[in-house]
Amino acid sequence: DQQVKQNSPSLSVQEGRISILNCDYTNSMFDYFLWYKKYPAEGPTFLISISSIKDKNEDGRFTVFLNKSAKHLSLHIVPSQPGDSAVYFCAASAGAIQGAQKLVFGQGTRLTINP
Amino acid sequence: EPEVTQTPSHQVTQMGQEVILRCVPISNHLYFYWYRQILGQKVEFLVSFYNNEISEKSEIFDDQFSVERPDGSNFTLKIRSTKLEDSAMYFCANQLRATDTQYFGPGTRLTVL
Repeated sequence: DQQVKQNSPSLSVQEGRISILNCDYTNSMFDYFLWYKKYPAEGPTFLISISSIKDKNEDGRFTVFLNKSAKHLSLHIVPSQPGDSAVYFCAASAGAIQGAQKLVFGQGTRLTINP
Repeated sequence: EPEVTQTPSHQVTQMGQEVILRCVPISNHLYFYWYRQILGQKVEFLVSFYNNEISEKSEIFDDQFSVERPDGSNFTLKIRSTKLEDSAMYFCANQLRATDTQYFGPGTRLTVL
C-alpha cells in the first residue's frame, strides 16, 4: 500500500538554508494533508496542515505547498535550524467531514541540519 | 498545552500473553485512534473509535485486538494473545472533531519475546 510516498529517506541541509521535503500521493480522495515531525522515542508532533481547497499554508518558518494536479505536496523550512533535525512524516486523510478518518503516512524523511 | 499520555512506555511480554496498552487522551477530545510503527516501517493505522464504538479498523486489527474506553477517560488497546510480529511502537491519537488535527501520544514500545 503506497498511497503516500516520501521518496527521499534522508536529506542533509546546512543551517540557515532552506529545507524542502517532498511527498506524493495516489489517492484522489485525500482532502487533508499534514506534516508531522518525530524525534526518536517520541510520538509524531504535528507541524502544519493543508486542506485540498488551498494550495499553500504558512506558519512561521514552515510552509506547505499542495499541487493537486500533480498529487504532490512539499514542506519548506526556512531558515533551517539544528533543532529541525528529525524524521518528517507526510500524512493524508479523506472525507473527515463524514467522521473519524484514519491518517495514511509516508515512510518518512530524516532531515539533518548541519551547523 | 494539553498532552496525550501513554502507559507503559515499554512493555516486554512473552508470546501468547495478553497485554493492555493505555492512553489518556486530551480531555474533551471525541475521536480516538491507535496506530503502530514496526521498526523501520511506516506508521500504520489500526483502529478509530468514536461515540463508544469502532468507526473503522484495518486488516491488522483482527480478533486478537480490542479497544475500549471504560471510564470515559482512558482509552485502551488490548492484544489477547501476542505474537512476535506484534512487536512495535504503539501510538494513540485523538482529535476534538473529525476535521481537526490528530494529536499523538509518546508511544508504548511493545516487545514480544
